[in-house]
Amino acid sequence: QKEVEQDPGPLSVPEGAIVSLNCTYSNSAFQYFMWYRQYSRKGPELLMYTYSSGNKEDGRFTAQVDKSSKYISLFIRDSQPSDSATYLCAMTKGGNNRLAFGKGNQVVVIP
Amino acid sequence: EAGVVQSPRYKIIEKKQPVAFWCNPISGHNTLYWYRQNLGQGPELLIRYENEEAVDDSQLPKDRFSAERLKGVDSTLKIQPAELGDSAVYLCASSLGSLNEQFFGPGTRLTVL
Repeated sequence: QKEVEQDPGPLSVPEGAIVSLNCTYSNSAFQYFMWYRQYSRKGPELLMYTYSSGNKEDGRFTAQVDKSSKYISLFIRDSQPSDSATYLCAMTKGGNNRLAFGKGNQVVVIP
Repeated sequence: EAGVVQSPRYKIIEKKQPVAFWCNPISGHNTLYWYRQNLGQGPELLIRYENEEAVDDSQLPKDRFSAERLKGVDSTLKIQPAELGDSAVYLCASSLGSLNEQFFGPGTRLTVL
């Protein structure tokens, strides 16, 4: 079993819909949780960063962490065609520990 | 501010040939990372440098991969000889210390025939 599981199935939604993405993980020592956005032929860019459990909102994006269930989510409200990208979850214990990434979800927002 | 620069952007080689990738991190970033991203997968760390010291190279296949960051600024990742399974995107990232946000370059897409 991989440390981080993310269903990579492509997701197509109409413009304006809510996009819901999630990851599960097995290592209870993870403390820092991130979502990266990766456009085609580009490197990942940090989208959201959360420490421990709770919610964090930034504009149209909301990240949720439930450490008791080892489950994290990303919600995109009022999705736009420019949101079409691959979204990668990542997490780490902190300190000098490396990031563990999920496989990524390809999201396509249809105008 | 310039981002992380990588070259070449694309490379096609035949198996058993050597190949090298170059990365110039964001100015002032002392931590540099090399990742490999296989198709449909997330990035996996190969090596992390703090200044010129490789502090985490446990995932680097040392029989064929090598890396250097001689002056603690730019870095080179080399594969010799390349194998078919090395086809992937090689990403370089940098950060201001290992606890801070990592900024990724656009990657080098390697195809081994």
